[in-house]
Amino acid sequence: QKEVEQNSGPLSVPEGAIASLNCTYSDRVSQSFFWYRQYSGKSPELIMSIYSNGDKEDGRFTAQLNKASQYVSLLIRDSQPSDSATYLCAVSGQNFVFGPGTRLSVLP
Amino acid sequence: SQTIHQWPATLVQPVGSPLSLECTVEGTSNPNLYWYRQAAGRGLQLLFYSVGIGQISSEVPQNLSASRPQDRQFILSSKKLLLSDSGFYLCAWSVGAGEETQYFGPGTRLLVL
Repeated sequence: QKEVEQNSGPLSVPEGAIASLNCTYSDRVSQSFFWYRQYSGKSPELIMSIYSNGDKEDGRFTAQLNKASQYVSLLIRDSQPSDSATYLCAVSGQNFVFGPGTRLSVLP
Repeated sequence: SQTIHQWPATLVQPVGSPLSLECTVEGTSNPNLYWYRQAAGRGLQLLFYSVGIGQISSEVPQNLSASRPQDRQFILSSKKLLLSDSGFYLCAWSVGAGEETQYFGPGTRLLVL
């Protein structure tokens, strides 16, 4: 079982819709969780981090964490074409591990 | 504020040639430093990380090596490049002792021909 799993996509949503990106992890001692955005040909940039169960909102982005289910998600409200990118989930526990990423395409 | 630099931005090298990629961080002291490789369309592969000067941990055995000659300088090297070394090389830093968030440099795109 891979340590951090994400659907590779592509996930296509129409402009203005909610995009939902999911991530599962295997290390139960994981304490910190991160979402990065990577545009094609560019380096990953941090969107947000979450450490406690529940929701954390930052503008149009909401991260959701459920440690019991070993599940973290990222919701993007009012999706824009500029949100089209690959989204990487990262989990910090015994190691800092990145998932393979989900490619999101927001259609105008 | 902290900034991270990498150079060169792009590099085309023949098979068997040497390699030296440099990464420097400004605005912080004693950072943890990381080298990742990302093959085309693939995820991030951690190559090396360092928690201090001269301290290097290797995650993947291969023909690459890393060095940290100064607190905020991290160098990735190879004596002889392979075709499979092509990829996007990313340097990242994090604050040591409890803060794990990693911040990435702009990357070096390497093509080995």
